[in-house]
Amino acid sequence: GQNIDQPTEMTATEGAIVQINCTYQTSGFNGLFWYQQHAGEAPTFLSYNVLDGLEEKGRFSSFLSRSKGYSYLLLKELQMKDSASYLCAVRAWETGGATNKLIFGTGTLLAVQP
Amino acid sequence: DTEVTQTPKHLVMGMTNKKSLKCEQHMGHRAMYWYKQKAKKPPELMFVYSYEKLSINESVPSRFSPECPNSSLLNLHLHALQPEDSALYLCASSQDEGSNNEQFFGPGTRLTVL
Repeated sequence: GQNIDQPTEMTATEGAIVQINCTYQTSGFNGLFWYQQHAGEAPTFLSYNVLDGLEEKGRFSSFLSRSKGYSYLLLKELQMKDSASYLCAVRAWETGGATNKLIFGTGTLLAVQP
Repeated sequence: DTEVTQTPKHLVMGMTNKKSLKCEQHMGHRAMYWYKQKAKKPPELMFVYSYEKLSINESVPSRFSPECPNSSLLNLHLHALQPEDSALYLCASSQDEGSNNEQFFGPGTRLTVL
Protein backbone atom coordinates (compact mmCIF):
# COMPACT_ATOMS: atom_id res chain seq x y z
CA GLY A 1 0.00 0.00 0.00
CA GLN A 2 0.87 3.66 -0.02
CA ASN A 3 1.63 5.54 3.20
CA ILE A 4 2.84 9.12 3.60
CA ASP A 5 3.42 10.71 7.01
CA GLN A 6 3.97 14.32 8.05
CA PRO A 7 3.69 16.08 11.40
CA THR A 8 0.19 17.49 11.85
CA GLU A 9 1.17 20.92 13.13
CA MET A 10 4.28 23.03 13.63
CA THR A 11 4.91 26.49 15.04
CA ALA A 12 7.85 28.74 14.21
CA THR A 13 8.92 32.34 14.67
CA GLU A 14 9.09 35.00 12.00
CA GLY A 15 12.61 35.22 10.54
CA ALA A 16 13.54 31.72 11.69
CA ILE A 17 14.13 28.48 9.75
CA VAL A 18 11.75 25.53 9.87
CA GLN A 19 12.08 21.99 8.51
CA ILE A 20 8.98 19.97 7.67
CA ASN A 21 9.60 16.24 7.34
CA CYS A 22 7.82 13.70 5.19
CA THR A 23 8.31 9.94 5.23
CA TYR A 24 6.76 7.66 2.68
CA GLN A 25 6.30 4.00 1.86
CA THR A 26 5.14 3.56 -1.70
CA SER A 27 5.63 1.15 -4.53
CA GLY A 28 6.64 2.48 -7.91
CA PHE A 29 8.06 5.78 -6.60
CA ASN A 30 8.38 8.33 -9.37
CA GLY A 31 9.03 11.67 -7.68
CA LEU A 32 8.00 13.77 -4.69
CA PHE A 33 6.31 17.17 -4.70
CA TRP A 34 5.76 19.81 -2.05
CA TYR A 35 2.70 22.04 -2.24
CA GLN A 36 1.61 24.99 -0.12
CA GLN A 37 -2.07 25.47 0.64
CA HIS A 38 -3.53 28.49 2.40
CA ALA A 39 -6.87 27.97 4.11
CA GLY A 40 -9.70 27.91 1.60
CA GLU A 41 -7.37 28.15 -1.39
CA ALA A 42 -5.95 25.75 -3.96
CA PRO A 43 -2.58 24.05 -3.43
CA THR A 44 0.33 25.78 -5.16
CA PHE A 45 3.47 24.00 -6.33
CA LEU A 46 6.67 24.62 -4.35
CA SER A 47 9.23 22.00 -5.36
CA TYR A 48 9.92 18.64 -6.99
CA ASN A 49 12.54 15.97 -6.26
CA VAL A 50 13.06 12.73 -8.15
CA LEU A 51 16.77 12.17 -7.48
CA ASP A 52 18.50 12.17 -4.10
CA GLY A 53 19.75 15.49 -2.88
CA LEU A 54 18.78 19.06 -2.27
CA GLU A 55 16.80 21.34 -4.58
CA GLU A 56 16.93 25.03 -3.71
CA LYS A 57 14.45 27.67 -4.79
CA GLY A 58 14.87 31.00 -3.06
CA ARG A 59 13.72 30.72 0.56
CA PHE A 60 12.50 27.16 0.00
CA SER A 61 14.62 24.02 -0.31
CA SER A 62 13.58 20.40 -0.54
CA PHE A 63 15.63 17.29 0.12
CA LEU A 64 15.05 13.69 -0.90
CA SER A 65 16.55 10.37 0.17
CA ARG A 66 14.95 7.56 -1.81
CA SER A 67 16.72 4.80 0.13
CA LYS A 68 15.26 6.14 3.38
CA GLY A 69 11.86 7.08 1.97
CA TYR A 70 12.37 10.55 3.41
CA SER A 71 12.03 14.14 2.31
CA TYR A 72 12.02 17.50 4.00
CA LEU A 73 11.01 21.02 3.08
CA LEU A 74 13.17 23.77 4.52
CA LEU A 75 11.75 27.27 4.79
CA LYS A 76 14.20 30.08 5.59
CA GLU A 77 13.61 33.66 6.74
CA LEU A 78 10.06 32.82 7.68
CA GLN A 79 7.38 35.39 6.99
CA MET A 80 3.88 35.65 8.42
CA LYS A 81 2.46 34.83 4.98
CA ASP A 82 4.17 31.42 5.16
CA SER A 83 1.49 30.33 7.63
CA ALA A 84 -0.25 27.61 5.63
CA SER A 85 -0.59 23.88 5.23
CA TYR A 86 2.35 22.15 3.51
CA LEU A 87 1.52 19.00 1.59
CA CYS A 88 4.00 16.32 0.66
CA ALA A 89 2.83 14.35 -2.39
CA VAL A 90 4.37 11.26 -3.92
CA ARG A 91 3.98 10.32 -7.57
CA ALA A 92 3.71 6.58 -7.89
CA TRP A 93 3.29 4.35 -10.90
CA GLU A 94 0.19 2.23 -10.96
CA THR A 95 0.58 -1.52 -11.04
CA GLY A 96 1.26 -2.34 -14.66
CA GLY A 97 3.06 0.98 -15.17
CA ALA A 98 0.43 2.42 -17.45
CA THR A 99 -0.21 5.65 -15.58
CA ASN A 100 1.02 7.48 -12.54
CA LYS A 101 -0.83 9.45 -9.89
CA LEU A 102 -0.18 11.88 -7.05
CA ILE A 103 -0.80 10.71 -3.50
CA PHE A 104 -0.90 13.43 -0.87
CA GLY A 105 0.28 13.20 2.70
CA THR A 106 -1.89 14.45 5.53
CA GLY A 107 -0.30 17.90 5.41
CA THR A 108 1.51 19.96 8.04
CA LEU A 109 -0.18 23.10 9.31
CA LEU A 110 2.54 25.68 9.94
CA ALA A 111 1.83 28.68 12.15
CA VAL A 112 4.36 31.51 11.96
CA GLN A 113 4.31 33.75 15.02
CA PRO A 114 5.74 37.27 15.38
CA ASP B 1 -2.61 32.25 -19.30
CA THR B 2 -1.23 30.09 -16.48
CA GLU B 3 -4.29 29.36 -14.47
CA VAL B 4 -6.97 26.77 -14.01
CA THR B 5 -10.46 28.15 -13.56
CA GLN B 6 -13.40 26.43 -11.92
CA THR B 7 -17.08 27.28 -11.78
CA PRO B 8 -19.08 27.69 -9.70
CA LYS B 9 -17.08 28.74 -6.62
CA HIS B 10 -19.83 27.57 -4.32
CA LEU B 11 -22.68 25.13 -4.89
CA VAL B 12 -25.50 24.04 -2.62
CA MET B 13 -27.64 21.18 -3.85
CA GLY B 14 -30.22 18.75 -2.60
CA MET B 15 -29.83 15.01 -2.75
CA THR B 16 -32.18 14.74 -5.73
CA ASN B 17 -30.58 17.50 -7.80
CA LYS B 18 -28.39 17.16 -10.86
CA LYS B 19 -25.58 19.67 -11.19
CA SER B 20 -22.23 19.99 -12.95
CA LEU B 21 -18.85 21.37 -11.96
CA LYS B 22 -16.72 22.89 -14.68
CA CYS B 23 -12.98 23.27 -15.07
CA GLU B 24 -11.02 25.01 -17.81
CA GLN B 25 -7.35 25.54 -18.65
CA HIS B 26 -5.65 27.15 -21.63
CA MET B 27 -2.08 26.09 -20.95
CA GLY B 28 -2.14 23.32 -23.54
CA HIS B 29 -2.03 20.70 -20.80
CA ARG B 30 -3.08 17.21 -21.83
CA ALA B 31 -3.71 15.73 -18.38
CA MET B 32 -6.55 16.90 -16.13
CA TYR B 33 -7.57 15.73 -12.69
CA TRP B 34 -10.45 15.84 -10.22
CA TYR B 35 -9.70 15.77 -6.49
CA LYS B 36 -11.99 15.80 -3.46
CA GLN B 37 -10.79 17.54 -0.30
CA LYS B 38 -12.56 17.37 3.04
CA ALA B 39 -11.81 19.92 5.74
CA LYS B 40 -8.33 19.59 7.24
CA LYS B 41 -7.57 16.60 5.01
CA PRO B 42 -5.33 16.31 1.96
CA PRO B 43 -6.76 16.19 -1.56
CA GLU B 44 -7.84 12.72 -2.67
CA LEU B 45 -7.61 11.81 -6.32
CA MET B 46 -10.89 10.92 -8.01
CA PHE B 47 -10.25 10.86 -11.77
CA VAL B 48 -7.46 11.44 -14.25
CA TYR B 49 -7.93 12.25 -17.91
CA SER B 50 -5.01 11.92 -20.25
CA TYR B 51 -5.36 13.18 -23.82
CA GLU B 52 -9.11 13.40 -23.27
CA LYS B 53 -9.40 9.76 -22.24
CA LEU B 54 -10.18 8.56 -18.73
CA SER B 55 -7.01 6.89 -17.44
CA ILE B 56 -7.69 6.60 -13.71
CA ASN B 57 -10.94 6.18 -11.79
CA GLU B 58 -10.21 5.77 -8.10
CA SER B 59 -13.29 3.60 -7.49
CA VAL B 60 -15.46 6.69 -7.31
CA PRO B 61 -19.22 6.08 -6.88
CA SER B 62 -21.23 6.39 -10.08
CA ARG B 63 -23.13 9.39 -8.73
CA PHE B 64 -19.99 11.28 -9.84
CA SER B 65 -19.58 11.23 -13.62
CA PRO B 66 -16.59 12.94 -15.25
CA GLU B 67 -16.50 14.20 -18.80
CA CYS B 68 -13.72 15.70 -20.91
CA PRO B 69 -15.37 17.37 -23.97
CA ASN B 70 -12.03 18.67 -25.27
CA SER B 71 -8.44 19.18 -24.18
CA SER B 72 -9.25 22.43 -22.34
CA LEU B 73 -12.39 21.44 -20.48
CA LEU B 74 -13.20 18.99 -17.72
CA ASN B 75 -16.63 18.53 -16.19
CA LEU B 76 -17.87 16.61 -13.19
CA HIS B 77 -21.56 15.71 -13.33
CA LEU B 78 -23.26 15.19 -9.99
CA HIS B 79 -26.46 13.25 -9.38
CA ALA B 80 -28.15 11.89 -6.26
CA LEU B 81 -25.32 12.97 -3.97
CA GLN B 82 -25.19 12.32 -0.24
CA PRO B 83 -24.45 14.85 2.53
CA GLU B 84 -21.07 13.17 3.08
CA ASP B 85 -20.12 14.24 -0.45
CA SER B 86 -19.93 17.83 0.79
CA ALA B 87 -16.33 18.91 0.22
CA LEU B 88 -14.02 21.14 -1.81
CA TYR B 89 -13.67 19.75 -5.33
CA LEU B 90 -10.38 20.67 -6.93
CA CYS B 91 -9.50 20.45 -10.58
CA ALA B 92 -5.87 20.31 -11.67
CA SER B 93 -3.96 20.03 -14.91
CA SER B 94 -0.43 19.14 -15.95
CA GLN B 95 1.48 19.08 -19.21
CA ASP B 96 0.94 15.36 -19.35
CA GLU B 97 0.83 12.48 -16.89
CA GLY B 98 4.50 11.69 -16.89
CA SER B 99 7.90 13.18 -16.21
CA ASN B 100 8.28 15.89 -13.58
CA ASN B 101 5.31 17.94 -14.59
CA GLU B 102 3.74 19.62 -11.61
CA GLN B 103 0.00 19.88 -11.35
CA PHE B 104 -1.60 23.31 -11.39
CA PHE B 105 -4.70 23.51 -9.24
CA GLY B 106 -7.83 25.56 -9.71
CA PRO B 107 -9.44 27.44 -6.79
CA GLY B 108 -11.99 24.70 -6.27
CA THR B 109 -15.75 24.45 -5.95
CA ARG B 110 -17.06 24.24 -2.42
CA LEU B 111 -19.99 21.84 -2.56
CA THR B 112 -22.63 21.47 0.12
CA VAL B 113 -25.18 18.67 -0.18
CA LEU B 114 -28.28 19.12 1.93
